[in-house]
Amino acid sequence: QVQLQESGPGLVKPSETLSLTCTVSGDSVSSYYWNWIRHPPGKRLEWIGYAHFSGTTNYNPSLKSRVTISVDTSKNQFSLKMTSVTAADTAVYYCAKWGESLEAFDIWGQGTVVTVSS
Amino acid sequence: EIVLTQSPDTLSLSPGERATLSCRASQSVSSSHLTWYQQKPGQAPRLLIYGASNRATGIPDRFRGSGSGTDFSLTISRLEPEDFAFYYCQQYSNSPLTFGQGTKVEIK
Repeated sequence: QVQLQESGPGLVKPSETLSLTCTVSGDSVSSYYWNWIRHPPGKRLEWIGYAHFSGTTNYNPSLKSRVTISVDTSKNQFSLKMTSVTAADTAVYYCAKWGESLEAFDIWGQGTVVTVSS
Repeated sequence: EIVLTQSPDTLSLSPGERATLSCRASQSVSSSHLTWYQQKPGQAPRLLIYGASNRATGIPDRFRGSGSGTDFSLTISRLEPEDFAFYYCQQYSNSPLTFGQGTKVEIK
């Protein structure tokens, strides 16, 4: 059974870069499409983007200029970097696996809270 | 961007009652691209229904998804105590992939 676990700083200062890692266990990261999704307080879930180990990426146009998602096969992890953060980036951040046969997010991490504040 | 509007925002029901949740899309969504998730406080969302009407592994048959085009629904035939949670619909017919704002099913 695939399991995902997010890790990274819970507090980031405005204008700095948010960096999160998702560790994959139970399967190889060299498969599937790996996603980041966030849930700001009081707002709806927002898809951030995905990466494939082949280098293919796709981002939400609303965040594309600030976001990079990459896959590290040597560590069986994938990561999110978001630059120039503001308070509006405060959210619970989830990593999730896209199940191609189901065409849905079939495995999610538990989520990690990131607060943007000085 | 396709906007998904869920209704109602909150559904107050008793265990054993039937729950009907709606998800309306601003543009037509392919049925194969409409998904429902359940989320309980402090937990990650869990896949419930994919392809509008297919139950994910381990999901009991009291959960039923239906609909097409712009109107989709999730029905819980008889609410069990563990079903009181938030429910979200999601589409990916058009990029970017989007979610509804959620419906909270609470105990009356």
